[in-house]
Amino acid sequence: GAVVSQHPSWVICKSGTSVKIECRSLDFQATTMFWYRQFPKQSLMLMATSNEGSKATYEQGVEKDKFLINHASLTLSTLTVTSAHPEDSSFYICSAPEGTSRYNEQFFGPGTRLTVL
Amino acid sequence: GESVGLHLPTLSVQEGDNSIINCAYSNSASDYFIWYKQESGKGPQFIIDIRSNMDKRQGQRVTVLLNKTVKHLSLQIAATQPGDSAVYFCAENHSGGGADGLTFGKGTHLIIQP
Repeated sequence: GAVVSQHPSWVICKSGTSVKIECRSLDFQATTMFWYRQFPKQSLMLMATSNEGSKATYEQGVEKDKFLINHASLTLSTLTVTSAHPEDSSFYICSAPEGTSRYNEQFFGPGTRLTVL
Repeated sequence: GESVGLHLPTLSVQEGDNSIINCAYSNSASDYFIWYKQESGKGPQFIIDIRSNMDKRQGQRVTVLLNKTVKHLSLQIAATQPGDSAVYFCAENHSGGGADGLTFGKGTHLIIQP
């Protein structure tokens, strides 16, 4: 199947700093990618939809100025957590569907573990 | 509230037995469901999906059943193996348009006893 990668796999940062997480579709193009957040022993929660060439759309309750998303190419979306605080510590996962149909399988990245000290 | 949910947080079965993981959803408009497996520290992995025009779909060692009347779906895993130990999520895609983000259920931790 298609492969989605994320970088870094884990990151530790100080409170107040910004962290960028990359999501890449390695063998297919994705006009849309999705960002999820998962706290320990909880489910995945959709944060935002990343759209190539246009602004991201955010789910209710997700601060767009805090979680900056850039989808600069058909294979790369980035999520920047700005002014990170300990409560932002979480497992961030991206996904990309192979195709534009809602029935296309979404491939998930391996996740990025963010720890804010 | 949450659109998709699970009944049991943990399910323990003996290796070789069959397991059934349940999921309830609340949105009557939901018409596409997916089951994912997530191992510790990894991203979700697609298992099987089902559309609302079906009530059963089978894959390799897995079967998904959909009961639209009571808004319930289940994942059956036959002859469980140690590698089946993971957290299983049902997810829903109820967009009326193109590709859309998924709504995940709470998850069930499947433990395979030797």
